[in-house]
Amino acid sequence: GESVGLHLPTLSVQEGDNSIINCAYSNSASDYFIWYKQESGKGPQFIIDIRSNMDKRQGQRVTVLLNKTVKHLSLQIAATQPGDSAVYFCADHTGSNDYKLSFGAGTTVTVRA
Amino acid sequence: DVKVTQSSRYLVKRTGEKVFLECVQDMDHENMFWYRQDPGLGLRLIYFSYDVKMKEKGDIPEGYSVSREKKERFSLILESASTNQTSMYLCASSNLQGQGANGYTFGSGTRLTVV
Repeated sequence: GESVGLHLPTLSVQEGDNSIINCAYSNSASDYFIWYKQESGKGPQFIIDIRSNMDKRQGQRVTVLLNKTVKHLSLQIAATQPGDSAVYFCADHTGSNDYKLSFGAGTTVTVRA
Repeated sequence: DVKVTQSSRYLVKRTGEKVFLECVQDMDHENMFWYRQDPGLGLRLIYFSYDVKMKEKGDIPEGYSVSREKKERFSLILESASTNQTSMYLCASSNLQGQGANGYTFGSGTRLTVV
C-alpha cells in the first residue's frame, strides 16, 4: 500500500521566492526516495533522489532533505520560476527485490507572477 | 527523444468493452509498471513485470490484467471496462536497481474515459 504522503495538496508561491514541499512517509524500512515533477499533459519526470544514508542532497536550484527520525522528506526549490508550476510527487521504495515505488498524493505548486 | 511511449493520449470506451493500453520502451529496461493516477490519490500501482512473460499484482489489480510477450512492450488490459476505471494511466520502466535519473522513466499517460 501507499507509504508516503504529502502534507498539502496545493501551494501558491510568489515568483522569486523559495518553495518548500513536504512529504511524510510511514515505512521505516524505506531506503530510497525520489521527487518527481509532473507538468500538465506529461508523465512524471525525475527531479532528485536521496538514499537513506544521507540527510541532504543538492541539485540545480533544488535541495532534498531527509529526516529519518520523524520520517519526513522535503523538497526545496530556490528562486521559484513560472516553469516550476507543476504537480510534485515524492516516492519511496523499501529496497526489497522488487524495486516498486510508492507515491504520495502530490502537491500542486502554482507560481504567482 | 521519447523513451517510454504509450499508444494513445486520449481514449473513450463504452462500459463492458475490452480495452487494451499499450506501452513500449526503448531503453532495454527489465522492469515495467502500470499505474493509474487519480486526483488526491497520487499514483497507484496496478501491475508490474520484471521479465518477459512475468507479471506481479500491484496494489489495485482488480479488473485489470497485463501481458508482456516482449521485453520492450507491456500491455494493460481492462477485461470489461467500467466507469470507475475512468482515469489517467501511466506506464513506466526501470532498470534493475530503479535508481538515479535514468532509473525510472514514465510515459506521457493515457487518459481513459469509460462512458
